[in-house]
Amino acid sequence: KQEVTQIPAALSVPEGENLVLNCSFTDSAIYNLQWFRQDPGKGLTSLLLIQSSQREQTSGRLNASLDKSSGRSTLYIAASQPGDSATYLCAVPLMNTGNQFYFGTGTSLTVIP
Amino acid sequence: ETGVTQSPTHLIKTRGQQVTLRCSSQSGHNTVSWYQQALGQGPQFIFQYYREEENGRGNFPPRFSGLQFPNYSSELNVNALELDDSALYLCASKSNYGYTFGSGTRLTVV
Repeated sequence: KQEVTQIPAALSVPEGENLVLNCSFTDSAIYNLQWFRQDPGKGLTSLLLIQSSQREQTSGRLNASLDKSSGRSTLYIAASQPGDSATYLCAVPLMNTGNQFYFGTGTSLTVIP
Repeated sequence: ETGVTQSPTHLIKTRGQQVTLRCSSQSGHNTVSWYQQALGQGPQFIFQYYREEENGRGNFPPRFSGLQFPNYSSELNVNALELDDSALYLCASKSNYGYTFGSGTRLTVV
């Protein structure tokens, strides 16, 4: 059974700081890994999708890396802004289950103006 | 606008009642998944439908059931509601670019 862990559970940083969110998973047989953002009480917004054959993906101030062999992914946010405040979730689908996502419990980020 | 629409946005039901939640996704999105997200937790996979057939199920009892229709809409039905069923229910449809999630239905069971 796949287990996904996210550290830290909560993070508070001053505006302008660069930060790293961590995601680890126990089974490396994954199709891909996806990072999502969730605002309070809302659904999930996809941020970055990394295929299992890729090492990283970038979108604007966001950069996600994937190391399948060690079961780790990081989400790097550059020059954080108050609008980045949200919960960030990583999710992986197992190859033998097709599309069933296993989610971490998320990292709650607060960027202080 | 994510292209995946869920209704209703909020719902309050009494323990023992039945509830139907609805999801509408974009044309051509043949795969729809449903997730339950309890407060402070990550979403948990309930089940998935592909071309109107269930093709994957998580660790949820049979009182959680679903339907998918030819017009790319789907339903999640929960019978005999329990207090622990209170959660945000999310549906997601699959495209070539990954999964798109709806904004969810917040279900409160009292």
